[in-house]
Amino acid sequence: RKEVEQDPGPFNVPEGATVAFNCTYSNSASQSFFWYRQDCRKEPKLLMSVYSSGNEDGRFTAQLNRASQYISLLIRDSKLSDSATYLCVVNGENFGNEKLTFGTGTRLTIIP
Amino acid sequence: GAVVSQHPSWVICKSGTSVKIECRSLDFQATTMFWYRQFPKQSLMLMATSNEGSKATYEQGVEKDKFLINHASLTLSTLTVTSAHPEDSSFYICSANPWRSTDTQYFGPGTRLTVL
Repeated sequence: RKEVEQDPGPFNVPEGATVAFNCTYSNSASQSFFWYRQDCRKEPKLLMSVYSSGNEDGRFTAQLNRASQYISLLIRDSKLSDSATYLCVVNGENFGNEKLTFGTGTRLTIIP
Repeated sequence: GAVVSQHPSWVICKSGTSVKIECRSLDFQATTMFWYRQFPKQSLMLMATSNEGSKATYEQGVEKDKFLINHASLTLSTLTVTSAHPEDSSFYICSANPWRSTDTQYFGPGTRLTVL
């Protein structure tokens, strides 16, 4: 089983729609969780961290369910510029362990 | 935000040659840097953790004699792909952790290596 699993997509969504991505992780001792976005042939860029209480940043909402080892990302009122691959990322099991484990990513295309 | 640079951004070389990739933290000191590799349509895979002033820690399956890492200063780590072969063609990305930060990583723009 992969350490971090995501639906690879692709998701083709009309502009203005709401889209949700899910991710599961296998290591219950994982401490930190993130969503990154990666544009084609570019490096990944941090979109947001994910906290147990859930957190929101503008049109983006992230949720973490530690019991189910499940992370989600919701994008509201999607824009053309949201087209990218979204990577679910999990940090190591020990505090101070900076090793990141990446999911394979979910490709999103926003259609005009 | 913090900036990490990589050089070169792309390189094409013949099979059997060695290629050196530099990763620099431009506005912060980094005791730890990470080297990743990404094949087309796959995720980033951690290759090794580069520690300033000590030996790198390699992930399982990554040959340390083939991928030489040197982290000689708090702002520079280098990855040398020795005797490169076509199967080494990939997107190599580094990231760096600011001093005493355990959670924040900044990624370089990546180096696209093509081995003919």
